[in-house]
Amino acid sequence: NAGVTQTPKFQVLKTGQSMTLQCAQDMNHEYMSWYRQDPGMGLRLIHYSVGAGITDQGEVPNGYNVSRSTTEDFPLRLLSAAPSQTSVYFCASSPGAFSGNTIYFGEGSWLTVV
Amino acid sequence: AQSVTQLGSHVSVSEGALVLLRCNYSSSVPPYLFWYVQYPNQGLQLLLKYTTGATLVKGINGFEAEFKKSETSFHLTKPSAHMSDAAEYFCAVRIYNQGGKLIFGQGTELSVKP
Repeated sequence: NAGVTQTPKFQVLKTGQSMTLQCAQDMNHEYMSWYRQDPGMGLRLIHYSVGAGITDQGEVPNGYNVSRSTTEDFPLRLLSAAPSQTSVYFCASSPGAFSGNTIYFGEGSWLTVV
Repeated sequence: AQSVTQLGSHVSVSEGALVLLRCNYSSSVPPYLFWYVQYPNQGLQLLLKYTTGATLVKGINGFEAEFKKSETSFHLTKPSAHMSDAAEYFCAVRIYNQGGKLIFGQGTELSVKP
């Protein structure tokens, strides 16, 4: 049972570098999303997608880019890393955007920007 | 705007004691409510959810929550705490007209004393 798989689990970046956090799900879910988790702030939505080819911004999209070319994959790109992007990132998926659907989370990616 | 408030960022109980984690929400439309648990360095796992129907919802690991519309609350309880319950707990609401995103509370860290 793979579920939602994120890579890498840990990454250290230098300010200004770019990188991509990979996310894949094997549940044929239409809805995928990225959250970041910071102490005392819960989880905040970065970007989401309701299906292949469709993406939209969440609460904190600045500095991040996403694309959804397939149902399975939803990579998150950091364009020019900043120390403020040091955080734990979670990819999540759900059968659809219907509010009663459960959202399933990956194990997280710990990112440090120095 | 929809929001979720968890009262108490840290809760400490003795093993065998009642666990009560408080969650209040604000929403102008019927909400769908979730509780997630996060163990150290792991992703979020669904404990239980309320969509429609019975207002007392039972979840995994002996947890349950009651949806009280008049109080806009969805408190999480467990009759008898176990050491393995030590974790961070997040209450969240999912709104159908917000792109299917989850809005999280700030989280409550539960400690269990022997």
